[in-house]
Amino acid sequence: DAGVIQSPRHEVTEMGQEVTLRCKPISGHDYLFWYRQTMMRGLELLIYFNNNVPIDDSGMPEDRFSAKMPNASFSTLKIQPSEPRDSAVYFCASSYYRVGGTGELFFGEGSRLTVL
Amino acid sequence: GNSVTQMEGPVTLSEEAFLTINCTYTATGYPSLFWYVQYPGEGLQLLLKATKADDKGSNKGFEATYRKETTSFHLEKGSVQVSDSAVYFCALSDHMNNNAGNMLTFGGGTRLMVKP
Repeated sequence: DAGVIQSPRHEVTEMGQEVTLRCKPISGHDYLFWYRQTMMRGLELLIYFNNNVPIDDSGMPEDRFSAKMPNASFSTLKIQPSEPRDSAVYFCASSYYRVGGTGELFFGEGSRLTVL
Repeated sequence: GNSVTQMEGPVTLSEEAFLTINCTYTATGYPSLFWYVQYPGEGLQLLLKATKADDKGSNKGFEATYRKETTSFHLEKGSVQVSDSAVYFCALSDHMNNNAGNMLTFGGGTRLMVKP
């Protein structure tokens, strides 16, 4: 079974450009999470969805960031306009929730973004 | 609120040395506890987990015991290898907060470097 798939793996862009990161969660999972990882801040939760509905976006740093999940098999994280301080590795993770479950998250390999 | 505190790195060891990475937590409910590992250039992978007090999670020679009385989940390995060099994250999932699904609270990560 395929894991969480993210694209692109690497993105280099110039300040001011729009960036779109994509994620395909594991089939059957009903939760999807976007994380950002930097040396300074570590791993930060940006936003998460349940059944395609955004539940908590309090971690989104500013209005330049937006995320959508139009269906159960696809999500995007968009940065417009991008800035050098947005340079980071962005991870998507998915899980399924059931009463008595252990709560494991399955991570993609990440999208490394460099904004020049 | 929930939080996870783990020892800061980097931890530098020689091959075959004993490893301990400390992790303590605070939680409002009855969390499951996890250790995730991140190898260079990759996403986070589940290393081991424990779902209730006194459970011991184990995998690839690593062990951690869920200690409710000390709110700890320390990671140990008797003899580390160069291939264990990675960043290790302690995390908890609070099942009492149903709205959060499987949202994990992560510690800051501990980098382990094993020298031959």
